Amino acid sequence: DIQMTQSPSSLSASVGDRVSITCRASQSISRYLNWYQQKPGKAPKLLIYAASSLQSGIPSRFSGSGSGTDFTLTISSLLPEDFGTYFCQQSFTMPYNFGQGTKLEIK
Amino acid sequence: QVHLQEAGPGLVKPSQTLSLTCTVSGGSINSGDYYWSWIRQPPGKGLEWIGYIYYNGNTYYSPSLRSRVGVSLDTSQNQFSLQLSSVTAADTALYYCARRTFRDHDSFDLWGQGTMVTVSS
Repeated sequence: DIQMTQSPSSLSASVGDRVSITCRASQSISRYLNWYQQKPGKAPKLLIYAASSLQSGIPSRFSGSGSGTDFTLTISSLLPEDFGTYFCQQSFTMPYNFGQGTKLEIK
Repeated sequence: QVHLQEAGPGLVKPSQTLSLTCTVSGGSINSGDYYWSWIRQPPGKGLEWIGYIYYNGNTYYSPSLRSRVGVSLDTSQNQFSLQLSSVTAADTALYYCARRTFRDHDSFDLWGQGTMVTVSS
């Protein structure tokens, strides 16, 4: 199985900050990497697919980069509604493992 | 607009079988463009992919659950179902049904709201 490791596990940032979350795969997954946002009590929502493509309806302050084993989700200017937990997920091969999540809190 | 909704008992006794249904509205489950999936999240933990089914009945399961899990389709009701046998407390989780798209990219692009299942006597 491909293991997905996110860092940090939690972070606190201020409105307007630039925030980055990293995800590392245990082996190369090319660009088969997705990012999801989950708010408390809600289902995860797809933000980024194929490492860097923005899902329809997602604000452009979200962006993704990377390939191979190392990936980054960046929020260019944090808004209050961006709090929540962010998960990466590899779609290279089954089982489609997720990262353990990064909890983002707004200061 | 396609919508997914999970349903099923919130409490299951240890050693019994957990059964959940996901109703798809606003679109057909017979579409060859998607796989219909189950994903779970234990309290305070991350997401675990369980398995999925294609419109032709082909199924794919996580190796860690394969011996206990089954996913089936009911096209007349536009539903798909999850069965997980011999449950223990470790199966206590929020269970989501989700749609996996794969044509131009591969992701879980639509999720139900989730249903909490507790395994306890």
